[in-house]
Amino acid sequence: QVQLQESGPGLLKPSETLSLTCSVSGDSISGYYWSWVRQPPGCQMEWIGYVYYTGSTNYNPSLNSRVTMSIDTSKNHFSLRLNSLTAADTAIYYCARYIRSGQYYMDVWGKGTTVTVSS
Amino acid sequence: DIQMTQSPSSLSASVGDRVTITCRASQNIDSYLNWYQQKPGEAPKLLIHTASSLRVGVPPRFSGSRSGTEFTLTISSLQPEDFATYFCQQTKSFPLTFGQGTRLEIK
Repeated sequence: QVQLQESGPGLLKPSETLSLTCSVSGDSISGYYWSWVRQPPGCQMEWIGYVYYTGSTNYNPSLNSRVTMSIDTSKNHFSLRLNSLTAADTAIYYCARYIRSGQYYMDVWGKGTTVTVSS
Repeated sequence: DIQMTQSPSSLSASVGDRVTITCRASQNIDSYLNWYQQKPGEAPKLLIHTASSLRVGVPPRFSGSRSGTEFTLTISSLQPEDFATYFCQQTKSFPLTFGQGTRLEIK
């Protein structure tokens, strides 16, 4: 079965850049959309954006200017970069497979990785 | 952005109870509404997609329905493993948005 695993630093300072990778196992990354979602403490989930296996992207306008997503089909993983971090970016970050084929949902998620932004 | 208002934010119930969780969309989203279950430290799990389609492998005690812009997740008879947090998500338009979540606790 498909499994996703997020990896990256857990503690960053304000103004730094967050880099996370989501490794996909059990299936090819090709042919699918892949998404990032985050959940700040005590808050609801926030969709960050998606990257298609071709490299095309769609970002949440609230983060658009700070976000970059990329994909490496040879390594079967995709990545998130978020720059100019502030404390408001402290959250659990999840990666998920986003099905977009007549029906639209996220069918497989990673367990999430906690990112804390603090000086 | 489409706002998803989920209620209640928390709920206490007993094994065997029937429970209902509601999400209301701020505008028409047709049936592009999904329900997820999340337990502490685990990955969220898709339960229902497109308002009422039960994901393969999810027990039939879970069901979803739609009435206009109001969506309901019903668990017909709570089992011990159902105590978790549930949240909705709309996929009608970007940016995708989520409800605030409902924490289902044991009474």
